[in-house]
Amino acid sequence: SAVISQKPSRDICQRGTSLTIQCQVDSQVTMMFWYRQQPGQSLTLIATANQGSEATYESGFVIDKFPISRPNLTFSTLTVSNMSPEDSSIYLCSVVPRQGSYGYTFGSGTRLTVV
Amino acid sequence: AQRVTQPEKLLSVFKGAPVELKCNYSYSGSPELFWYVQYSRQRLQLLLRHISRESIKGFTADLNKGETSFHLKKPFAQEEDSAMYYCAPYYGCSGGYNKLIFGAGTRLAVHP
Repeated sequence: SAVISQKPSRDICQRGTSLTIQCQVDSQVTMMFWYRQQPGQSLTLIATANQGSEATYESGFVIDKFPISRPNLTFSTLTVSNMSPEDSSIYLCSVVPRQGSYGYTFGSGTRLTVV
Repeated sequence: AQRVTQPEKLLSVFKGAPVELKCNYSYSGSPELFWYVQYSRQRLQLLLRHISRESIKGFTADLNKGETSFHLKKPFAQEEDSAMYYCAPYYGCSGGYNKLIFGAGTRLAVHP
């Protein structure tokens, strides 16, 4: 399966600032997704990162707050903008390795604390 | 909206006891179903998927379309099974969606 490198693994940020999280995959992948896991909660899908076009956001998430880039088939970034303590969460990159595969692979996550 | 329900937040059993973690999903087309597991301080990982009908670490899960359930079972729990378990239906392109939706999760605690 694909190997995902997600950076940073953790960070502590002041409110009002922004953090960009990187997701690098060791092979070309069809689909890339960004999830959030708030403390004590399950995973919530933020958006699908589309290569060459704008990301597809889920209800409750907007591009101005969570801009996403996906310049190629192996890399994506998620930015958490103008952060508040409510954004404290684990952010996870996930990929579907190849067309027709159902085995989602997850990155190790980025633990973000906003103070 | 697609939904998945894991009714138990915590399931506490003794070593050697049978385990059943419940999962019900809303029906829309024919979703593929997965169980993911997250051990302490480890990343989320795929445990099993119904399409392969495999048994991983002694766990099995049968898809019951009539009841729209995909319960995870193991006949004899081990202490190393203690983890967070997530049921996740994947609504593929044929159903108009292409994303993995997670249940709230069930924490399994296996006591010696």
